[in-house]
Amino acid sequence: ETGVTQSPTHLIKTRGQQVTLRCSSQSGHNTVSWYQQALGQGPQFIFQYYREEENGRGNFPPRFSGLQFPNYSSELNVNALELDDSALYLCASSLEVSETQYFGPGTRLLVL
Amino acid sequence: RKEVEQDPGPFNVPEGATVAFNCTYSNSASQSFFWYRQDCRKEPKLLMSVYSSGNEDGRFTAQLNRASQYISLLIRDSKLSDSATYLCAVNKEDTGRRALTFGSGTRLQVQP
Repeated sequence: ETGVTQSPTHLIKTRGQQVTLRCSSQSGHNTVSWYQQALGQGPQFIFQYYREEENGRGNFPPRFSGLQFPNYSSELNVNALELDDSALYLCASSLEVSETQYFGPGTRLLVL
Repeated sequence: RKEVEQDPGPFNVPEGATVAFNCTYSNSASQSFFWYRQDCRKEPKLLMSVYSSGNEDGRFTAQLNRASQYISLLIRDSKLSDSATYLCAVNKEDTGRRALTFGSGTRLQVQP
């Protein structure tokens, strides 16, 4: 196993609600990246956090936001949920920005 | 045109067969290349990084062709346990950020 953990494993929300997903990076890893994987697609980059600062963002609207804490764990927040936000949300941690990314088991979000 | 493209398959092969997947990428500035394996409803797991000189790990061989902008994965002596979706990922370092761009994956089904 990669040592990256995510919670919760599954979540059901309704349209318009807000959700917070959590990720604990592998010990010693200071970089966390978040990805969204819709059914039948590859993961899509949402954003990356490095030493508590956002370090790049993909093509996702501002209602997707995040945080990284001093222990390098991270949160992904999504406001005003839409049906299309239903997906597997993956976080990946790496030793440094330039190092290989290792994925956690993901949170499966269903928006009704 | 997608930045990373893969044949979705499925590739149905008998046990013991050799199978190859290709993945093309459009951004010539891509610097790092990876193959990930994803089992159904699980997270992607790093299979191997792909180096310019090509690299081998047991039954798996990965190659990079920068001139034609594709990477390949060869699996020899296929096992039932190789059945999974294989995702290729490319990485372009951009102002200190490294975000993986994934293809949609190629599904492999190894049959007895």
